[in-house]
Amino acid sequence: GENVEQHPSTLSVQEGDSAVIKCTYSDSASNYFPWYKQELGKRPQLIIDIRSNVGEKKDQRIAVTLNKTAKHFSLHITETQPEDSAVYFCAAWDAGKSTFGDGTTLTVKP
Amino acid sequence: DTGVSQDPRHKITKRGQNVTFRCDPISEHNRLYWYRQTLGQGPEFLTYFQNEAQLEKSRLLSDRFSAERPKGSFSTLEIQRTEQGDSAMYLCASSPDTFEAFFGQGTRLTVV
Repeated sequence: GENVEQHPSTLSVQEGDSAVIKCTYSDSASNYFPWYKQELGKRPQLIIDIRSNVGEKKDQRIAVTLNKTAKHFSLHITETQPEDSAVYFCAAWDAGKSTFGDGTTLTVKP
Repeated sequence: DTGVSQDPRHKITKRGQNVTFRCDPISEHNRLYWYRQTLGQGPEFLTYFQNEAQLEKSRLLSDRFSAERPKGSFSTLEIQRTEQGDSAMYLCASSPDTFEAFFGQGTRLTVV
């Protein structure tokens, strides 16, 4: 089955700095890679996603890159703000079956 | 609220009892997913439906777990003979097709 590894598990940055979270996956059949943000006690929220036929996607301060050959994808957050503090999860999707990483706790210090 | 709705939000049950959770997806979303999440972990896939058909079920799911989506709208997840290890947040998500799944707020199960 699919295995998704996510790094780092914790990340602390100063407000205004950039943050990068990386994920690797094992199953080449996976073709959809979303990122979710989860604040304490709340539901995971879809923040950005990328399909396997695209190498990069950007939405304001958030971008995702995908390297299908190497089977890894990354989340980039620029100009971080305190409200970006949360747990971020990557996922790899094959049809309807998904595998999530174990999450990265991002702390943005004012 | 037109998002994914789950009921109840919290459930405390005694070990050995059966519990059932309900999920109402976003209207016209034909895919519905169930996950389990424990503290410090990402959501763990349990099963998913395309309309009323259950297309995939995790091998991790024991026979005590069953899910239905009888009319292709709402879904139920039943856990029989609950065990303490079943304590977790049970999340439901829906999507219009293969992509863009949106989560509900979850049902927190505590087995005592």
